[in-house]
Amino acid sequence: AQKVTQAQTEISVVEKEDVTLDCVYETRDTTYYLFWYKQPPSGELVFLIRRNSFDEQNEISGRYSWNFQKSTSSFNFTITASQVVDSAVYFCALSSYSGAGSYQLTFGKGTKLSVIP
Amino acid sequence: DVKVTQSSRYLVKRTGEKVFLECVQDMDHENMFWYRQDPGLGLRLIYFSYDVKMKEKGDIPEGYSVSREKKERFSLILESASTNQTSMYLCASTPPSRNTQYFGPGTRLTVL
Repeated sequence: AQKVTQAQTEISVVEKEDVTLDCVYETRDTTYYLFWYKQPPSGELVFLIRRNSFDEQNEISGRYSWNFQKSTSSFNFTITASQVVDSAVYFCALSSYSGAGSYQLTFGKGTKLSVIP
Repeated sequence: DVKVTQSSRYLVKRTGEKVFLECVQDMDHENMFWYRQDPGLGLRLIYFSYDVKMKEKGDIPEGYSVSREKKERFSLILESASTNQTSMYLCASTPPSRNTQYFGPGTRLTVL
């Protein structure tokens, strides 16, 4: 069974601080994909990144970076120099193949990040 | 750009009413999904569809049904709404054999 754990329910940081959101996953698949989504107060989930299980290189996109470690089954997300606009709920997700060319996502429960000015 | 739309942002219904939530995508995506999101529970999959007229149950299908008569439209139906179906409902879609899901803005449903 697939499982995604985001142990941090809520985090508050002061603007310009760095913050890391943790994600730990469980799967028996040898090939899988991991995702991060952002849900701002408006409600829409915004896709941030997808990573496949064969690519353990860290990824950096502006102030965002992702650290994928297969050995610890973790896919952590760091925001550098946080800004108020980063305030949102962040979800980590794991894909599994459900047949007929369709994949399902298993989501963690989310981490609510509040960036205080 | 990917575009998934949902018929309403906010909806208020009474217990026992039949409720339709509509989702439309304009990207010719094969796969569409309905989730509900509740505080402390994250997103839970209700139903998904990988083709017209095809549907599969997700993790929590009880009390819901779906309809997919056209490729671009996936409807979630609450046959007889109950207060425990008060929630945020999110629709998503993906291209065939791809797993990045693109989400609509969500419908916040309140059942009184």
